[in-house]
Amino acid sequence: IVLTQSPGTLSLSPGERATLSCRASQTVSSTYLAWYQQKRGQAPRLLIYSASTRATGIPDRFSGSGSGTDFTLTISRLEPEDFAVYFCQQYGSSSYTFGQGTKLEIK
Amino acid sequence: EVQIVESGGGSAPPGGSLRLSCTISGVTFSHSNMNWVRQAPGKGLEWLAYISASSTTINYADSVKGRFTISRNNDKGLLYLQINSLRDEDTAVYYCARDRPLHYFENWGQGTLVTVST
Repeated sequence: IVLTQSPGTLSLSPGERATLSCRASQTVSSTYLAWYQQKRGQAPRLLIYSASTRATGIPDRFSGSGSGTDFTLTISRLEPEDFAVYFCQQYGSSSYTFGQGTKLEIK
Repeated sequence: EVQIVESGGGSAPPGGSLRLSCTISGVTFSHSNMNWVRQAPGKGLEWLAYISASSTTINYADSVKGRFTISRNNDKGLLYLQINSLRDEDTAVYYCARDRPLHYFENWGQGTLVTVST
């Protein structure tokens, strides 16, 4: 299964709302869809699993939604620390795939 | 707090081999399903291999099947990735990641850099 994230780069200002898309080449179980944040020089950090469940310690401005082939990560009001790269990830048929990432940059 | 530490990276020539290691603290290693994931410079994340807690299930990405071997020693608390027949495209940061029952990566190490170079 190929995951395609859009846009490739998203330029927004602090306080704005960010909407990141992850589209799968075939149906993905929402149980097995996750989102990660990666800052420069750091390891990825789990944000969302099972499409919409926030991981421990993740602020409620982060939310996930979607089903089937279309999934969305929304950041309701951007904080300066949210500017990073975001990846979606799915599991199916004993393998894992990641999307290519969306870079969220300060406008 | 869960902490994961990878080691064993470095520079190796094309055709060479490397063995990466990973330790985890803050959770019971022998109960943890584990993975290796890599990231080439400036690129995205690529899942490589999975091993269940008791080593009964092992899966590989098609791209590395036959060249990479994942294994673990629960008595020593160590996870391994053996990389053979190194290629230029194996240059990357290699991460060890703890897998959860719903197949997401809850905990990650800081990674170990592998550079394939003459």
